Amino acid sequence: QVQLQESGPGLVKPSETLSLTCTVSGDSIRSHCWSWIRQSPGKGLEWIGYIYSTGSTNEHPSLKNRATMSADTSKNHFSLRLRSLTAADTAVYYCSRHLGSSIYDPFDIWGRGTMVTVSS
Amino acid sequence: QSVLTQPPSASGTPGQRVTISCSGSSSNIGNNYVNWFQQLPGTAPKLLIYRNDQRPSGVPDRFSGSKSGTSASLAISGLRSEDEAGYYCAAWDDSVSGHWVFGGGTKVTVL
Repeated sequence: QVQLQESGPGLVKPSETLSLTCTVSGDSIRSHCWSWIRQSPGKGLEWIGYIYSTGSTNEHPSLKNRATMSADTSKNHFSLRLRSLTAADTAVYYCSRHLGSSIYDPFDIWGRGTMVTVSS
Repeated sequence: QSVLTQPPSASGTPGQRVTISCSGSSSNIGNNYVNWFQQLPGTAPKLLIYRNDQRPSGVPDRFSGSKSGTSASLAISGLRSEDEAGYYCAAWDDSVSGHWVFGGGTKVTVL
């Protein structure tokens, strides 16, 4: 059974950097594409970016200059760093697995999500 | 403002058929597959329909998807109380460097 677990701080100050990690169990991060997706309170879903275990990434155009992703195959996890945070970044952050190995495959397995609040 | 347009709400009585629309453009729905997600309150989204009309294992055949041009639809037939949830469409968008886009979501209420 494949499971994804997000971890990171629940509260971050404005202008600081958010670091989140998604630990994968029951599957290897080498075998799929992986994405970060967020959902602001009471709002819809927003894709942040995807990563392959090779380190290949692509981010949403609106976040490209603030978001960085990395993968660690030895720990079977991947990470997101989001810089220069504002209140607008307050959201539940999900990590997810793509159905196949293509960026065009949808997200079939999701973590439970972690709530991140940006506030001083 | 979401790239894909969905009605904010839909409703029906048990047993009825409910349809949710999702409208996009040539750079997303018009040229790529549409996928649908169900989000029950307080939980992560769940893949409901992929590649326009395919159901993952375990998804009841009461749920069906279709696509025509730059629009897509999700139909729920034989509506049940447990179908009360948020529903989101999503597609790859070829514009800029390529990225995933979502609809704003439709809240389905079972009356």
